[in-house]
Amino acid sequence: AQSVAQPEDQVNVAEGNPLTVKCTYSVSGNPYLFWYVQYPNRGLQFLLKYITGDNLVKGSYGFEAEFNKSQTSFHLKKPSALVSDSALYFCAVRELGNTPLVFGKGTRLSVIA
Amino acid sequence: DAGVIQSPRHEVTEMGQEVTLRCKPISGHDYLFWYRQTMMRGLELLIYFNNNVPIDDSGMPEDRFSAKMPNASFSTLKIQPSEPRDSAVYFCASSLVQGLNEQYFGPGTRLTVT
Repeated sequence: AQSVAQPEDQVNVAEGNPLTVKCTYSVSGNPYLFWYVQYPNRGLQFLLKYITGDNLVKGSYGFEAEFNKSQTSFHLKKPSALVSDSALYFCAVRELGNTPLVFGKGTRLSVIA
Repeated sequence: DAGVIQSPRHEVTEMGQEVTLRCKPISGHDYLFWYRQTMMRGLELLIYFNNNVPIDDSGMPEDRFSAKMPNASFSTLKIQPSEPRDSAVYFCASSLVQGLNEQYFGPGTRLTVT
């Protein structure tokens, strides 16, 4: 069965510093990987996805994620954090076929001015 | 497109009452999902539909929960009777044919059962 783990409940970073939100996954085949962001009192918004090809994927709001097959990881990164990036971030995985996305428990990112 | 639309945005009801949550997916999307989000359990998939047909309802917590999709542009999630532990934010999401495509989420319905 497919699964995803976000090992950190909370990540704190100073504004202007680089940020990383970690995600590891487990699937039996090739993974499709996604990152979503949730701002307070809002639904989840799609940030980026990895399907195939270049291991570095660029998405919305300056975010990017790196797919690492050997480490089964898909960490979310941004070179310079903004206070407005403070939100809840979800990693999700899907195997080939018509299975639903499986979401991690979420990581709360707090960017401090 | 207006995105996924959910109503009501907030619902406060008393224990034992029937609650109906509504969702309009993005036009042309084949899949519709219902999720529940709580602090304790995170984001849980309750049920999903493909072309209006329920595919997997194994996430529905109890028989008190039911979901329907009478047509491609409308779905309901009903709780009868409601209980305080049902208090949560309920999200609807839709997507094109699965596989490569991301899901688009509605703004959610915050349900409080007193």
